[in-house]
Parts: sequence; C-alpha cells; structure tokens
Amino acid sequence: EIVLTQSPVTLSLSPGERATLSCRASQPVSSTYLTWYQQKPGQAPRLLIYGASSRATDIPSRFSGSMSGTDFTLTISRLEPEDFAVYYCLQFGTSPPYTFGQGTKLEIK
Amino acid sequence: EVQLVESGGGLVQPGGSLRLSCAASEFTFSSYEMNWVRQAPGKGLEWVSYISDSGRTIYYADSVKGRFTISRDNAKNSLFLQMNSLRAEDTAVYYCARPFYDFPYYYFDYWGQGTLVTVSS
Repeated sequence: EIVLTQSPVTLSLSPGERATLSCRASQPVSSTYLTWYQQKPGQAPRLLIYGASSRATDIPSRFSGSMSGTDFTLTISRLEPEDFAVYYCLQFGTSPPYTFGQGTKLEIK
Repeated sequence: EVQLVESGGGLVQPGGSLRLSCAASEFTFSSYEMNWVRQAPGKGLEWVSYISDSGRTIYYADSVKGRFTISRDNAKNSLFLQMNSLRAEDTAVYYCARPFYDFPYYYFDYWGQGTLVTVSS
C-alpha cells in the first residue's frame, strides 16, 4: 500500500504570503492519479487539483500543483483569508486501496 | 447540480450494527463507481470502500474488511454501507464520494455532506 506523508503538519502564515505544502509518496505514483483537496471545518472536502497539476473547475489561479519524482507540491501563491483550512493529498493508483495523506493545517499567523 | 445525501448515522453500542445510505441525484448513478470515505473527530480522511458501477467489483480498507459491506441499488439511485461489529474506532463522519474518470485522470469530484456515526456505550 502506498503511504503519503504530508509536511508540515501545521503551517502558520499571513495573508498575502506564499504557502508550499508537500506530499511525499512511499513508492512511485502516477501523476494522473494524484489529487489535492481543501477542507474547512464542518464541510466536505473540495477538489482543488487533479492529475498533480491541473486545477479543478472554479479553483483560483493562485493554487498550483507540481510533481518531482515521488514528491508532490501544492502551492498557494498569495494567501487569501478564505484559504486557511486543512489540505489533503489523495492517490488513487490503478485500483483501491486509495490513500490520503494525514493533512496539513494552514493557519493564520 | 449533482447531489449526494447521506443518512442513517447515529449512536450505536460497541458490537452493534448500522446501515448508511447515500441518495444520489442529478446524474446517471448507474454509470458511476462510488466510494465511502470517513473522518474520525479531529482526524484526517480515510478511504473505506469502493464499488463499481455494476456492483460486481468491491474493495475495502483493511480496517473494515469482514465487518462492513458496501452495496448499491441502481434502480433507486442509492449507495449503502452495512456496518456490523462496530467498534469505538469506527466513530466518524462518513461521506459518500463520486469518482470521475476524465481520461487519463481520476478524482473525487462530488462529496456528500456526511453522516455522523458514534460508537459508544
């Protein structure tokens, strides 16, 4: 089973700053099956990025994803107040089990 | 607009059973695979189970294998999760999630609002 390790666990930044969130896979993951989600308290997760770097519908351009080997990165170029939330990576592979990273909490500094 | 509405959660004693439902609307349910994902209070997301569009292919997380059963009724646009031998560690919000295959990509594009299952004596 592929394990996804997200870092940092908590990231404290101010609005306007740049956020860089990491997701490292324990073995190779196809970029087509790596996704990122945002979750706010009391809400279901929302798809941000699919295919490691493609933005989902209606997701602002300040969100971007990239990949290098087994390392995946979600970058938020300039933080807006509504971006403070928990972010998860999720890999699908060719069949289940699917695995989530443990999440990164992005909090206001 | 696609809608997924879970129901059936509640308080149950350890060792008890519960059946969750997910009512789907505004898309052709029978053409889509479906999944259950859960989230324990204050914790991260955990994939629980998958069912193919026909219902013939099923997968489970090791943590629920042998205790949970996923099923679907395509005629009623509904997804189910029968949960038996419940444990305290099964306490979580349970979400149904619809995957979308947009060749070559695959992702969960719609989620329900979740239903809370609490296992406690």
